[in-house]
Amino acid sequence: AQSVTQLGSHVSVSEGALVLLRCNYSSSVPPYLFWYVQYPNQGLQLLLKYTSAATLVKGINGFEAEFKKSETSFHLTKPSAHMSDAAEYFCAVSAGQAGTAPIFGKGTTLSVSS
Amino acid sequence: NAGVTQTPKFQVLKTGQSMTLQCAQDMNHEYMSWYRQDPGMGLRLIHYSVGAGITDQGEVPNGYNVSRSTTEDFPLRLLSAAPSQTSVYFCASSPSGETQYFGPGTRLLVL
Repeated sequence: AQSVTQLGSHVSVSEGALVLLRCNYSSSVPPYLFWYVQYPNQGLQLLLKYTSAATLVKGINGFEAEFKKSETSFHLTKPSAHMSDAAEYFCAVSAGQAGTAPIFGKGTTLSVSS
Repeated sequence: NAGVTQTPKFQVLKTGQSMTLQCAQDMNHEYMSWYRQDPGMGLRLIHYSVGAGITDQGEVPNGYNVSRSTTEDFPLRLLSAAPSQTSVYFCASSPSGETQYFGPGTRLLVL
């Protein structure tokens, strides 16, 4: 079985500051890991994914995440926040095999102030 | 490509009524899923399908039925609506069970 824990339901940063959104996972098999972003009143769109290749994954809009097996973590970072990054972010895990659908965390709302 | 489409966008039901939320995709994806999104709860998996004729339950399947007669369509049926089913419902499709492509969502209010 898989599960995801996102630490912090709300993160606030200033424009230009580092963004760090935390995600820890549990999986009985090597996981596939994802970060999705949701802007207000929209569906979710993929930011980046880890599927057992490079442990440092780069995504869209300057975001990246590092898979750390020893810490069972997949934290999302961006060196410099922009106002347009304000959104809700979801971490998700799947078993990476046919026949499963991803399980999502509860989400982290990112606020960016000027 | 229209991607994943959902209808209706918004619906109000009375307790006990039934309805079907429609989901269609034109990307020839084998995998399709239904999630509900509630404040503070994230997205929870209701049902999913790995191909036409094959469905399985997710985390919160009670009160919902699905069927998958074609690759393109994956309707979600509420048999007897309850206020606890007030939520935003998202349908998603995937070519391989990995990256999910989400629809715009259906907002459901059950009175």
